[in-house]
Amino acid sequence: AQSVTQPDIHITVSEGASLELRCNYSYGATPYLFWYVQSPGQGLQLLLKYFSGDTLVQGIKGFEAEFKRSQSSFNLRKPSVHWSDAAEYFCAVANYGGSQGNLIFGKGTKLSVKP
Amino acid sequence: DVKVTQSSRYLVKRTGEKVFLECVQDMDHENMFWYRQDPGLGLRLIYFSYDVKMKEKGDIPEGYSVSREKKERFSLILESASTNQTSMYLCASSSRTGKSQPQHFGDGTRLSIL
Repeated sequence: AQSVTQPDIHITVSEGASLELRCNYSYGATPYLFWYVQSPGQGLQLLLKYFSGDTLVQGIKGFEAEFKRSQSSFNLRKPSVHWSDAAEYFCAVANYGGSQGNLIFGKGTKLSVKP
Repeated sequence: DVKVTQSSRYLVKRTGEKVFLECVQDMDHENMFWYRQDPGLGLRLIYFSYDVKMKEKGDIPEGYSVSREKKERFSLILESASTNQTSMYLCASSSRTGKSQPQHFGDGTRLSIL
């Protein structure tokens, strides 16, 4: 069965520092991968997605993610974090085993930003 | 932009009540989903629907039912609310054009069962 693992439950970085959030997936073929962000009290907003082609994908708010098949990873990065990036981040993979459109989510990584 | 609207941001109900959570999307999406979100457990899929009057169970359907009478509206029903159903509930929708379409989420309903 497909699964998504986000190894870090909580990460704290200083404002202006670089950020990398880890995501590992299990799936045999090329997966469809997504990163979402959830600000406190809000729903999830799509940051970026990967389907095929260039393994480095650009998203909104200055985020990017790199697909590495050999490591089954899809890590999210940002070169310089802003205080407004404090939120929870979810990685997801399309579920091919179920009906159309299902996503399997990781349990999330909460990002705190120090001034 | 896709708009997914959940009828209530906050809701307080009593044990044993029948509770309706409503979700409307304005992008003519075929797929709609209901999740619950709890600390440390991430998002868990309750039910989803890929067409009007169609529904499928997700990972945790017990104690819930759904209704999709119109394409734009997907309702989650707690038949007899219990305290362990206190949670954040998120609705989402997506297009059915292949498996690559992202889900678009509403702002959530924080439900408390007393």
